[in-house]
Amino acid sequence: KQEVTQIPAALSVPEGENLVLNCSFTDSAIYNLQWFRQDPGKGLTSLLLIQSSQREQTSGRLNASLDKSSGRSTLYIAASQPGDSATYLCAVTHQGAQKLVFGQGTRLTINP
Amino acid sequence: EAQVTQNPRYLITVTGKKLTVTCSQNMNHEYMSWYRQDPGLGLRQIYYSMNVEVTDKGDVPEGYKVSRKEKRNFPLILESPSPNQTSLYFCASSLWGGRSLFFGPGTRLTVL
Repeated sequence: KQEVTQIPAALSVPEGENLVLNCSFTDSAIYNLQWFRQDPGKGLTSLLLIQSSQREQTSGRLNASLDKSSGRSTLYIAASQPGDSATYLCAVTHQGAQKLVFGQGTRLTINP
Repeated sequence: EAQVTQNPRYLITVTGKKLTVTCSQNMNHEYMSWYRQDPGLGLRQIYYSMNVEVTDKGDVPEGYKVSRKEKRNFPLILESPSPNQTSLYFCASSLWGGRSLFFGPGTRLTVL
C-alpha cells in the first residue's frame, strides 16, 4: 500500500530565505506527483504537477523535483514571502492515473 | 469563472439522517473525486469517477455512496451518517485522471 510522508510537519523561517520541503513515497510505480497549497479554512490549490517521466517542474519561485527510483520529491521555494505561509501537501497518483494518496502536509510559516 | 462548487459549505446533522453533499464543476472535466480531511490522518480519497456512469472506490468508501449521471455533477451521499463521519469534505475535478486537480472550497460536516 502506498504511503506518502512529509517531513517536517511544521517549518518556520524568516522572510527572504530559500527553503526546501520534502515528500517521500514507498511505491515508486507512480503516474505523477502533485504539490498543493492549502490556506486555513480553504480548499487546495494545485502548484506543480510532475509526470513520472520528468525530473522537475518550475513555476515562478517554485521548483519541484522528482526522483522516482528513490521515492522522493522536493519543493524548493526561492526568496520566501509572508504570503507563502500555508500548508503544503504532496500527492502521488497511481493505478492508471485514478487513485491519489496524500501526505499529511508541512505547515510553513514565513516570518516578516 | 472556472470552478468547483460544493453545497452546503457547513452542515450539522444527527446520526442516521440521510444527507447529500453536492459537487458541480463547469470545466467539462471527465475526472471527479471526493476526499475527507481529518486531523492527524490527512486527506483520504473516498470515491472517484473517471467519466459519466463510471465510479470506483478510493481508500475509505465505507458509509458513502456516489453517482455520476452527468459529467458536471458528482454528489456524495451518506445514507445513515454516524459521528465518525464528522469531517471536512472536498470535491475535486481534473480534465482526466492524472491531470492537475481543481478543488472545491470544502464542506464541514458535523454528525451528532
